[in-house]
Amino acid sequence: AQSVTQLDSQVPVFEEAPVELRCNYSSSVSVYLFWYVQYPNQGLQLLLKYLSGSTLVKGINGFEAEFNKSQTSFHLRKPSVHISDTAEYFCAVSAGNTGGFKTIFGAGTRLFVKA
Amino acid sequence: GAVVSQHPSWVICKSGTSVKIECRSLDFQATTMFWYRQFPKQSLMLMATSNEGSKATYEQGVEKDKFLINHASLTLSTLTVTSAHPEDSSFYICSARDLAGGAGEETQYFGPGTRLLVL
Repeated sequence: AQSVTQLDSQVPVFEEAPVELRCNYSSSVSVYLFWYVQYPNQGLQLLLKYLSGSTLVKGINGFEAEFNKSQTSFHLRKPSVHISDTAEYFCAVSAGNTGGFKTIFGAGTRLFVKA
Repeated sequence: GAVVSQHPSWVICKSGTSVKIECRSLDFQATTMFWYRQFPKQSLMLMATSNEGSKATYEQGVEKDKFLINHASLTLSTLTVTSAHPEDSSFYICSARDLAGGAGEETQYFGPGTRLLVL
């Protein structure tokens, strides 16, 4: 079975500052890794995903994440945030299980961008 | 891109009544759909996996008689909350896979969610 830990429940940051949202995972099998964003009262939007290959993954809205297998991490970064980036961010892992492919979500990190 | 819709987007009902939520894949056929529940300020919890033409697979702790899932066609899955109670109030989100479209098994497309409030 796999699990996901998002180390920060809330991250306040000033506009145009860089930000990193941390995610660690555990799994006994190879996993796929995702970051999703959720705006209030809306569903999830995929920011980026890591399947294989290059460990640095670039996504939408200027976000990127780096897969670090030795540290079992997949931290999300953006060099300069905007007010509009204020949202809930979820890290997720997906792997094959006896019941089929399942996705497990982290608890979420609330990014709050201040002017 | 692949689009998933949910209907209704929000619903208020009285305790003891049943509520049906629809999840549709608009431009692709979804052999597998997932239902999640999200409580305020919490993460998504997988409730069940729904495969077209077969019984849903429920996660541990989810009452299958309370949360009835039907996946009768390749574009529609429904979740019925039977005899709803205030503790069932939550945000319900569905997602779907599009394997025929070339996406991998890991790819899910999420619906916009349905907010249920049971009074």
